[in-house]
Amino acid sequence: DVKVTQSSRYLVKRTGEKVFLECVQDMDHENMFWYRQDPGLGLRLIYFSYDVKMKEKGDIPEGYSVSREKKERFSLILESASTNQTSMYLCASSTQVQVWEQYFGPGTRLTVT
Amino acid sequence: LAKTTQPISMDSYEGQEVNITCSHNNIATNDYITWYQQFPSQGPRFIIQGYKTKVTNEVASLFIPADRKSSTLSLPRVSLSDTAVYYCLVARTGANNLFFGTGTRLTVIP
Repeated sequence: DVKVTQSSRYLVKRTGEKVFLECVQDMDHENMFWYRQDPGLGLRLIYFSYDVKMKEKGDIPEGYSVSREKKERFSLILESASTNQTSMYLCASSTQVQVWEQYFGPGTRLTVT
Repeated sequence: LAKTTQPISMDSYEGQEVNITCSHNNIATNDYITWYQQFPSQGPRFIIQGYKTKVTNEVASLFIPADRKSSTLSLPRVSLSDTAVYYCLVARTGANNLFFGTGTRLTVIP
């Protein structure tokens, strides 16, 4: 069974802290994605990566950075967390070609106080 | 950019057929249309994908008219367990023009 795992289900951090969210996939997929999900706004793409060390900005990259040192792992970094980054963060992966068929992790609910 | 628009919510009684429509007026020739289902506290799950005409699998059917400016997800004879949020996604190889809609919250009533 295909699997995307995320390092934490729930996370509480203080304003100004550096936050790392990690995602691992076991399907040997080339593409990996980070989304945030907020009520009424649906899924918004933060960043995606199409290969190791390669990344592209999505719709809302401000305040975030990413790292992909290994094919199976994609990290989302909040350099200095702010309260408006309180959200559900979802990681996904897909093959290089079939970008429309994505496999999602369970999500990390991040609260910044 | 193929922005998508969906109804915010829908209610249906058990056993009925449910149709959820997504508008994507600016869809490009090489875009594909996909639908996802999301239950509370879980990530979205891929359920069906199409390019044009009709596609059917064990879970749902997807109808896409010739102009491809909209798509309709059809769930036959819904049950309480179909209560979820349904998202449409328009995307193409390259991932730099993918767009999820805001989702449609389907509530199935006994």
